[in-house]
Amino acid sequence: QSALTQPPSVSGSPGQSVTISCTGTSSDIGTYNRVSWYQQPPGTAPKVMIYDVNNRPSGVPGRFSGSKSGNTASLTISGLQAEDESDYYCTSPTSSGTYVFGSGTKVTVL
Amino acid sequence: DVQLVESGGGLVQPGGSLRLSCAASGFSFSSSAMAWVRQGPGKGLEWVSSINPSSDYTKYADSVKGRFTVSRDNFKNTLYLQMNSLRADDTAVYYCAKLDNFRFDSWGQGTLVTVSS
Repeated sequence: QSALTQPPSVSGSPGQSVTISCTGTSSDIGTYNRVSWYQQPPGTAPKVMIYDVNNRPSGVPGRFSGSKSGNTASLTISGLQAEDESDYYCTSPTSSGTYVFGSGTKVTVL
Repeated sequence: DVQLVESGGGLVQPGGSLRLSCAASGFSFSSSAMAWVRQGPGKGLEWVSSINPSSDYTKYADSVKGRFTVSRDNFKNTLYLQMNSLRADDTAVYYCAKLDNFRFDSWGQGTLVTVSS
């Protein structure tokens, strides 16, 4: 199973919006509305930011949102803040009963 | 609070074996699906294996199938990963994670496995 495709990096100034795409196939993202997104600052464990495409766990700021169209999911960070600088990963279950992660995207706040 | 604490990592020679443990607390371990996720040095996250609460459903990534075995002890609230025939590309930080409806909602701090001669 190949990793889901994410851009290696995105950047934006404080207050701007950035969007990270996550492209899979009809065997994963295209079939399941179970895409989740994880934030991983350097040297720390990942933290779930979005689950089931567009749901935020309690405690996650409202500036994080998710969406999906076909085989591609997206994470948008609106009103970018310095603390949002981190690596981000998407994941989805697959029709084989496994999971596949995205290749990861580094978000830089300019 | 949910706590997941991995242990058992270390330096092992190619072809060797290692068993990782993950001690769980703060939630109903016996009712929760669990997973192992790894991250090679400077690399992204890679799902390794999952196990359901009753241990009768396990899944593995193709990269570890036939070499790694996931198991759990619901009386000891502990998840395990037996790793055999280790290779250099198995070098990674191994995270234990709790699965909740297809999301990895809690993670341990990770344990480093280094495969090298």
